[in-house]
Amino acid sequence: QSVLTQPPSVSGAPGQRVTISCTGSSSNIGAGYNVHWYQHLPGTAPKLLIYGNNNRPSGVPDRFSGSKSGTSASLAITGLRAEDEADYYCQSYDSSLSVVVFGGGTKLTVL
Amino acid sequence: QVQLVESGGGVVQPGRSLRLSCAASGFTFTTNGFFWVRQAPGKGLEWVALIWHDGSKKYYADSVKGRFTISRDSSKNTLYLQMNSLRAEDTAVYYCARDFGDFSSGDSKFDYWGRGTLVTVSS
Repeated sequence: QSVLTQPPSVSGAPGQRVTISCTGSSSNIGAGYNVHWYQHLPGTAPKLLIYGNNNRPSGVPDRFSGSKSGTSASLAITGLRAEDEADYYCQSYDSSLSVVVFGGGTKLTVL
Repeated sequence: QVQLVESGGGVVQPGRSLRLSCAASGFTFTTNGFFWVRQAPGKGLEWVALIWHDGSKKYYADSVKGRFTISRDSSKNTLYLQMNSLRAEDTAVYYCARDFGDFSSGDSKFDYWGRGTLVTVSS
């Protein structure tokens, strides 16, 4: 089991909005550590989508946004496109384990 | 442009060794710390090892501590992962990732990743 919990899968139709949750605890997200999000297509390099909870790197469309509250964080994708179909991972730091931690990943299916 | 290219993966028997490399280009290699992150078949991402920008500090996941060694050669702009006493559970795609954050404050974050190299441990 991952320290950060994500739903195994989410789906949505083109144009719709989906959210992916990332639930942690008082030793990671709840302790104030930043959450970062990655998009990963099998066989390719993971891509940074959101850093520092809600910041987009240059080149990432504003359809992608991040938020954080308490011990959880969320990634929202609006205006779903077929090319958004991928695995999404959250990442943070856990002070009890003193390690970088990843969520288990969420597979997004565009219907 | 920034590029990270892993190599060195393959099929190896349990108990044997393998050395992975990650060739970096397009940026000043000594500016950043680096991670090795792996993904076992059907599983999520798992950090394996971290090395500071100057090589002065190294950290390992408990699952590989004492068996794996991370290193870097600034003259070759290359990151390495020496893997000894390999086990079936080490089978995974191994990625190198550039840290543009600050591990010491718990804010490591990865802006560039390689495409990965597959390590299969099997008899």
